[in-house]
Amino acid sequence: GAGVSQSPRYKVAKRGQDVALRCDPISGHVSLFWYQQALGQGPEFLTYFQNEAQLDKSGLPSDRFFAERPEGSVSTLKIQRTQQEDSAVYLCASSLKRDTYNEQFFGPGTRLTVL
Amino acid sequence: GENVEQHPSTLSVQEGDSAVIKCTYSDSASNYFPWYKQELGKGPQLIIDIRSNVGEKKDQRIAVTLNKTAKHFSLHITETQPEDSAVYFCAASRAGFQKLVFGTGTRLLVSP
Repeated sequence: GAGVSQSPRYKVAKRGQDVALRCDPISGHVSLFWYQQALGQGPEFLTYFQNEAQLDKSGLPSDRFFAERPEGSVSTLKIQRTQQEDSAVYLCASSLKRDTYNEQFFGPGTRLTVL
Repeated sequence: GENVEQHPSTLSVQEGDSAVIKCTYSDSASNYFPWYKQELGKGPQLIIDIRSNVGEKKDQRIAVTLNKTAKHFSLHITETQPEDSAVYFCAASRAGFQKLVFGTGTRLLVSP
């Protein structure tokens, strides 16, 4: 496809359920990022992959959050035992190279609502 | 760590007017400063960026300025149009680190 895609676009979960959010980056992009965007706020960094290696997971808020990118393309963000404070839009971004200055292209996000 | 502050939080202008959004950052090691536009229900879209070795960059109606000494950078939109209405985010990135640190956003409303 032409851009970063994410699925599902909307997810409603009951508190305590596990959820899995998928990101398909732009083909050939080496770097992949996950951000969390609370309502009315800017995106906040969660984690970063370079190919299949998770190089930075300093932004993951708790050990209930887990991300993987096993083959260096598609990535999944998993949240276990969801809590109401996990409600947010989860954004995925990819960039072509590993350079610091490289442009990050964002997907449309997955809006997670935890009841 | 890096902290990015953004002002104003909301900005209303008439079509054809100019709009200016300002950001400050705390980490003097930051050297890449992109600006994103986010429309309702969509992901952020990069509209312009600037690197620390440049003081100003223009792209048609959009320009960004950077003052490294004062640690602030600004987005200038001239001849605003209703389709410029959106939320705009500034961000900063540090050399050697890939993650972006975002400001809190500016909601721009351009009235016809």
